[in-house]
Amino acid sequence: QQPVQSPQAVILREGEDAVINCSSSKALYSVHWYRQKHGEAPVFLMILLKGGEQKGHEKISASFNEKKQQSSLYLTASQLSYSGTYFCGTERSGSARQLTFGSGTQLTVLP
Amino acid sequence: SAVISQKPSRDICQRGTSLTIQCQVDSQVTMMFWYRQQPGQSLTLIATANQGSEATYESGFVIDKFPISRPNLTFSTLTVSNMSPEDSSTYLCSGGIQGGTEAFFGQGTRLTVV
Repeated sequence: QQPVQSPQAVILREGEDAVINCSSSKALYSVHWYRQKHGEAPVFLMILLKGGEQKGHEKISASFNEKKQQSSLYLTASQLSYSGTYFCGTERSGSARQLTFGSGTQLTVLP
Repeated sequence: SAVISQKPSRDICQRGTSLTIQCQVDSQVTMMFWYRQQPGQSLTLIATANQGSEATYESGFVIDKFPISRPNLTFSTLTVSNMSPEDSSTYLCSGGIQGGTEAFFGQGTRLTVV
């Protein structure tokens, strides 16, 4: 079942902050965040594992509420290069990175 | 980390024909997956490519339409058979390592069926 991602789109000015949310109705093993620019493959940003472990991008942070099966991606002091479509991918246990992706959030950072 | 080379990067095909997409990983991965991404949409899992055995397909995808091979831990192919314009999409392969971090993606194959 596809996770629900919000908002669908956001436009902000360089230096502003944004939060993207992802929620699932199923128990999750991990949540992954990717950014995709037009015509390119998704690029890994962050993984949040059940139990609180996080690995990923230095300038991007995220949270994972295991009780609610919700994750949020925090983009602070946005740069122009942050523009793109952000996808959360959820993983059920033992699937070795078999991901179910949310519908995506299109982020546009203006100068 | 791993690097996945996928080819072709794009193709324009006639309806009724078939196209085979290849993915080569530069290191062994536990699992390999094939996704489809329709224009402006999210990624949808087609199947899990299992080494040396039949792939595991998701609901809505069948082996006759999308035969998959994975002869070893570093290589997989996806064939889009008897193509129609509705098959026009970007197809991506990915690999994951059990206990590892991210899923690695190939650059994708942009397929247009005319």
